[in-house]
This record gives sequence, structure tokens and C-alpha cells, in this order.
Amino acid sequence: EAQVTQNPRYLITVTGKKLTVTCSQNMNHEYMSWYRQDPGLGLRQIYYSMNVEVTDKGDVPEGYKVSRKEKRNFPLILESPSPNQTSLYFCASGPSVVETQYFGPGTRLLVL
Amino acid sequence: GNSVTQMEGPVTLSEEAFLTINCTYTATGYPSLFWYVQYPGEGLQLLLKATKADDKGSNKGFEATYRKETTSFHLEKGSVQVSDSAVYFCALSPIPNFGNEKLTFGTGTRLTIIP
Repeated sequence: EAQVTQNPRYLITVTGKKLTVTCSQNMNHEYMSWYRQDPGLGLRQIYYSMNVEVTDKGDVPEGYKVSRKEKRNFPLILESPSPNQTSLYFCASGPSVVETQYFGPGTRLLVL
Repeated sequence: GNSVTQMEGPVTLSEEAFLTINCTYTATGYPSLFWYVQYPGEGLQLLLKATKADDKGSNKGFEATYRKETTSFHLEKGSVQVSDSAVYFCALSPIPNFGNEKLTFGTGTRLTIIP
């Protein structure tokens, strides 16, 4: 089944404790991206990747890191999480930026 | 930069009512335009899209027409059902290879349909 998977789905952590949210797709897509969804602010892009080893900042990259060492995986790293990073996070992939994006189920993060 | 302005919600309608959710955009050139839908507890999924001016995207009874003269991509449905209750996002993708591969989403419109 074609899909985008994210892990974990729910995470509670404390300020400053490094964490990684994994994202994997099995559709051989070149374009992958991360978003955060907050009430009243909609969906905002954090980082995107056009291909392996090619990543760039979205609209809200501060406090986040990404890497794209393999085509299928695009982990999101929070080196020192803070409470303002409490949010619902989505990973997505697509053949390119102009084509349909396929979203994962979301990761709900709470930073205390 | 690119931007998407979407109708404020929430929107509550009775079953079988006519739906319009407004979306306007600011972009360079001719971007591709999308409507995504998010059902409760799920990720977003594509509802419909249009890639050039005057294109009409349609799916599940929903329609939207790419209007370059008014920079709009309004979502419409003639008769909504309870199962259409969801959050709807208008989105824009840039022309590739213009040095900007960022996707831009609107703030989302929560739609609730009451029986």
C-alpha cells in the first residue's frame, strides 16, 4: 500500500531533550516536506527536500533540523525542544512540488 | 513571496445547502492550485487541483475554477452532506526551478454540516 508513515504518533517530552520524528514513504517520491499545524495559523512548512541531500528552509525552520540521506526517509530533528514547538506535525511527499502531496497521519507533540 | 488567503471559519451549514469557501492567492506567474481536505484525526488528502488558468478541478461533487483575472480558486459544492464535515485547505505550489520550491497553504476552514 502506498503510504507515508510517521513515528511516533504521540509524544510528550520536556524542554531541551533532543527528539527525532521519523518519516518514510514507499512511493519513490523526490519531494518531501514537513509542516506544523497550529490553531488559527493553518499549515506552515518547516523544511522541504527536492531530492537526496538537497534540503531547504520553509517558512518556519527555526529550532528544527532535517536530513535526507535516503530517498524514502526524511526525519525531523528537534535538538532542544521548547514549549512553543508544541504542535501537530505532518510529513508529506510528492513526485515534485507541483504535483499532489501525500500526507502522513500526523505526530502530536507536547513539550513541557 | 507567495501567499494564500482563505475564508475565515468555522462554517456551519445544514445538509443539502450550497457551499462556497473563498480562496485568493498572490504569486508570481502561473502557480498550481489545490484544495486539500482533512477529516477528523487524519492527515490531509487531495480533494482537487488545477494547473493553469480557467482549469476546473472537480471531485466528490466539489468544484473549483482557476481564475487568473481575480487570482481566486473558490471551492463550491451544490449540496453538502454530513460526511463533508472537515477542515479544507487551499494551497499553492510555485513554478518549479524559479529558485523557490516552497508550498504555501491557507489557514484552513472548518466546515460542519448539521443534519
